[in-house]
Amino acid sequence: GAVVSQHPSWVICKSGTSVKIECRSLDFQATTMFWYRQFPKQSLMLMATSNEGSKATYEQGVEKDKFLINHASLTLSTLTVTSAHPEDSSFYICSGTANYGYTFGSGTRLTVV
Amino acid sequence: AQSVTQLGSHVSVSEGALVLLRCNYSSSVPPYLFWYVQYPNQGLQLLLKYTSAATLVKGINGFEAEFKKSETSFHLTKPSAHMSDAAEYFCAVSEGGSQGNLIFGKGTKLSVKP
Repeated sequence: GAVVSQHPSWVICKSGTSVKIECRSLDFQATTMFWYRQFPKQSLMLMATSNEGSKATYEQGVEKDKFLINHASLTLSTLTVTSAHPEDSSFYICSGTANYGYTFGSGTRLTVV
Repeated sequence: AQSVTQLGSHVSVSEGALVLLRCNYSSSVPPYLFWYVQYPNQGLQLLLKYTSAATLVKGINGFEAEFKKSETSFHLTKPSAHMSDAAEYFCAVSEGGSQGNLIFGKGTKLSVKP
């Protein structure tokens, strides 16, 4: 079946630094990639939607200059959290779609100290 | 706009008992509905999905869900709970067919007692 590989699975970084999260579709071409954020004991909240080769569409309240999304190819999308702060600590999950429907990555636990 | 309501943030059952997780949706168009399971610090795994075919949908691990348009419900059931079923379960509706953005419910944590 379709697989989305998400890395890293967890990362700890210092305040003010940037962190890049990668999602790769291993055996299919993800025409669309969704990026979600999940706070502890809460549901997934959509941050942005990206289509290959075009700019991402951000949900209301999500800072596009802080959460940089790149979807340069049909198999790779990245989320970069710039100038991270402790309040950015969260669980980030990507989901790629194609003819198979939705396939989720395994998530990235980001802790900013 | 679509929305999803999951009744009960926490459900506890005994091993071997019936599992019933409730989900009601709101949609102005025929919905695509999904149930996902999430284990701690992991991504989401699809249990099953409804895409306007049969109203009773069978999924993995013995789970099934029935789409009831009159009740706008898509409750998840399993006849006999297993310890390994303990996890967080999310109901979701698609905004735009089979590949539109997913709107998630707040989730239901299932605990299974020995």
